[in-house]
Amino acid sequence: ETGVTQSPTHLIKTRGQQVTLRCSSQSGHNTVSWYQQALGQGPQFIFQYYREEENGRGNFPPRFSGLQFPNYSSELNVNALELDDSALYLCASSTDRVGGYTFGSGTRLTVV
Amino acid sequence: QQQVKQSPQSLIVQKGGISIINCAYENTAFDYFPWYQQFPGKGPALLIAIRPDVSEKKEGRFTISFNKSAKQFSLHIMDSQPGDSATYFCAASDNYGQNFVFGPGTRLSVLP
Repeated sequence: ETGVTQSPTHLIKTRGQQVTLRCSSQSGHNTVSWYQQALGQGPQFIFQYYREEENGRGNFPPRFSGLQFPNYSSELNVNALELDDSALYLCASSTDRVGGYTFGSGTRLTVV
Repeated sequence: QQQVKQSPQSLIVQKGGISIINCAYENTAFDYFPWYQQFPGKGPALLIAIRPDVSEKKEGRFTISFNKSAKQFSLHIMDSQPGDSATYFCAASDNYGQNFVFGPGTRLSVLP
């Protein structure tokens, strides 16, 4: 059973709106990464947070932003939604940025 | 140079057969190579991982073979079972696993 919980599981938004996705990691997991997985493709790295600071970013525009909180929860915010933002958004957590990340089941975002 | 190539795109194997999935990378800074298994509606789950200082790692029916000079690695699933039917992703990361680069995935179907 995964120790990473994501909410909501599904979400439908209109183009131009803003969305916040949430992730709750296992206690002690001070590293969280967010990934975007388009249908039929592998996950793409958005960014990583380590001890509440952004620790690396993939090739995503600034309208993708995040936060990590002391209670091992985190958020992914996306502004000005575009149709191409429709995807499964995954968070993955670990301890001290070491491999062996645990993924959540994801949030399926549909932009119409 | 950040790309990870994966083949085949899909694979059909009879129950009890061997499933083989291959991956190749270019970035010599990669030093951690995990395989993930993903069922529909779920996030990827870590199956097995290897570091480049060993050429093979076995865990139960799953084996990773790693060829550092060729920059290739593969997953072998022995005695494949219908329950193994899923999408498999290879991935690679550099120091501290900050940014996993995933392959495009292989959809495995094991026929009963």
